[in-house]
Amino acid sequence: DAKTTQPPSMDCAEGRAANLPCNHSTISGNEYVYWYRQIHSQGPQYIIHGLKNNETNEMASLIITEDRKSSTLILPHATLRDTAVYYCIAAGGTSYGKLTFGQGTILTVHP
Amino acid sequence: ETGVTQTPRHLVMGMTNKKSLKCEQHLGHNAMYWYKQSAKKPLELMFVYSLEERVENNSVPSRFSPECPNSSHLFLHLHTLQPEDSALYLCASSQEPSGNYNEQFFGPGTRLTVL
Repeated sequence: DAKTTQPPSMDCAEGRAANLPCNHSTISGNEYVYWYRQIHSQGPQYIIHGLKNNETNEMASLIITEDRKSSTLILPHATLRDTAVYYCIAAGGTSYGKLTFGQGTILTVHP
Repeated sequence: ETGVTQTPRHLVMGMTNKKSLKCEQHLGHNAMYWYKQSAKKPLELMFVYSLEERVENNSVPSRFSPECPNSSHLFLHLHTLQPEDSALYLCASSQEPSGNYNEQFFGPGTRLTVL
């Protein structure tokens, strides 16, 4: 799996958009970008994934740059319950079933 | 509710004890995973089972012994553990390791403390 780099922590005001960046400059052509989050002491939760097109679901939007070397997860209206560790993972291709979690970004949403 | 359950949620055991962690998925998936999350460390993949066959073992010590009797159940048998094995043990499942799309559903974890 390609290595990803995320800022260790970010803050966001409740109701505002949270934009979480991720660098994956060594991503290969058949690797997807996945985002998971982990709320304190719970199991990780899948948020969204994409290959090269921007994606949106009920939780978030994923913007992937044209060269696929970086991406941004957008939580459009952050709530206090969005406070969690957010993990960006590049995986796929021959890495069957393998997700390599890094340290992630601790997002703190403030009232 | 993720559809993946783990029992027990908390476990305290001595170094000479033998215990087992249980995971059950109600999602019809055919791949299951064990992860370990130590304090202030990233999640570490331990084992992967696909169609009840072990397909990955990430250099895990033999004091951890997985068992997958069917596609819905996964066990982690523990014996003669060390205090440094204290961690959150997470189970996950997915439709199958496809190589291209892998949404894993995680259970709530078992918080293990080894005394």
